Amino acid sequence: KNEVEQSPQNLTAQEGEFITINCSYSVGISALHWLQQHPGGGIVSLFMLSSGKKKHGRLIATINIQEKHSSLHITASHPRDSAVYICAVRNTDKLIFGTGTRLQVFP
Amino acid sequence: DTGVSQDPRHKITKRGQNVTFRCDPISEHNRLYWYRQTLGQGPEFLTYFQNEAQLEKSRLLSDRFSAERPKGSFSTLEIQRTEQGDSAMYLCASSLERNQETQYFGPGTRLLVL
Repeated sequence: KNEVEQSPQNLTAQEGEFITINCSYSVGISALHWLQQHPGGGIVSLFMLSSGKKKHGRLIATINIQEKHSSLHITASHPRDSAVYICAVRNTDKLIFGTGTRLQVFP
Repeated sequence: DTGVSQDPRHKITKRGQNVTFRCDPISEHNRLYWYRQTLGQGPEFLTYFQNEAQLEKSRLLSDRFSAERPKGSFSTLEIQRTEQGDSAMYLCASSLERNQETQYFGPGTRLLVL
């Protein structure tokens, strides 16, 4: 079993839909990251969380430390949101990554 | 552009050849990380440096792999006697040494071993 599990693996949505991606982890962490990866490989950090909730534009990330669970929400989704979204947890000095959720948003 | 650069962006090589990749981090960042990502998977940790010291290496890093950061700035990752299973995207990231710091990723080097 992977130490970081994401669901769903693939997600398709119509433009405007509300999207939720889930991440569960089984190791002790000091922080959790949500990352976005576009085709071609470039990875961009969206959020770093150690508790509670963060919001940036149409993106919202939450974490429940007791339940070892985090969610990434996208409100009013847009085709430009199409990408792979990766959850990663910080364990000691390194990141442990989930396998990613491939999101496609259609107009 | 995150400020982290990697060279080359793509590399095709024949099995058995040696390859070397370079990563230039953001200049004031003292931590540098190497990750490997295979198709359809998330990245996997390989190794990291704090300044010029290599502090941790993954079990994934076989003896054919070596990484250096001689002056605490750029880093190189060398793979000797490449195998087809080495085909992957090799990602570099840098950060400041600080609790819960954000890592900034380079564009990656995509390696194909024929």
